[in-house]
Amino acid sequence: DGGITQSPKYLFRKEGQNVTLSCEQNLNHDAMYWYRQDPGQGLRLIYYSQIVNDFQKGDIAEGYSVSREKKESFPLTVTSAQKNPTAFYLCASSIMASGGVEQFFGPGTRLTVL
Amino acid sequence: KNEVEQSPQNLTAQEGEFITINCSYSVGISALHWLQQHPGGGIVSLFMLSSGKKKHGRLIATINIQEKHSSLHITASHPRDSAVYICAVSSRGSRLTFGEGTQLTVNP
Repeated sequence: DGGITQSPKYLFRKEGQNVTLSCEQNLNHDAMYWYRQDPGQGLRLIYYSQIVNDFQKGDIAEGYSVSREKKESFPLTVTSAQKNPTAFYLCASSIMASGGVEQFFGPGTRLTVL
Repeated sequence: KNEVEQSPQNLTAQEGEFITINCSYSVGISALHWLQQHPGGGIVSLFMLSSGKKKHGRLIATINIQEKHSSLHITASHPRDSAVYICAVSSRGSRLTFGEGTQLTVNP
């Protein structure tokens, strides 16, 4: 079964701790993305990677870091520098389809910082 | 002003009703996407379109490029259609810009 997995589904951390969210895909997609979703707001892009060993900042990259050492994996670290980390985090990957780029989403991780 | 605006923000309907959700955008786009987010948070892609109209089952999506406007219609709505419907546009390579979503509740 091809798809995107994110783990864990729920994550609790104490303020000041770094935490890493996992994202794995077996779709053989080159591009991967991390989004943050807050209540009443649209998804906002944190980081994206179009190829292994390369990534770019999105619109809200401050306080986050990523790596892309393997095509199938794109972990996101929420650092203590992120002032308001409690949110729902979605990982996605994309493929070029006829008519445009189609994105596929993981199930998400809900992070709560206590 | 957001680049992608959806209306309404919330919509409540009775089972069987015809539903329309609207999306307006202010940038040039290569494609417009309609997504569905279930209560658990997972997102699935419903449509990707750059012109005209697409239909899948009871769902229909239309786009008017000149007016920068798209609509998502649901015919014969059912409680299982209750979800958040999100409009997104791709205009800068593979990046998407998202609307805030429309929360749809269909009552039996």
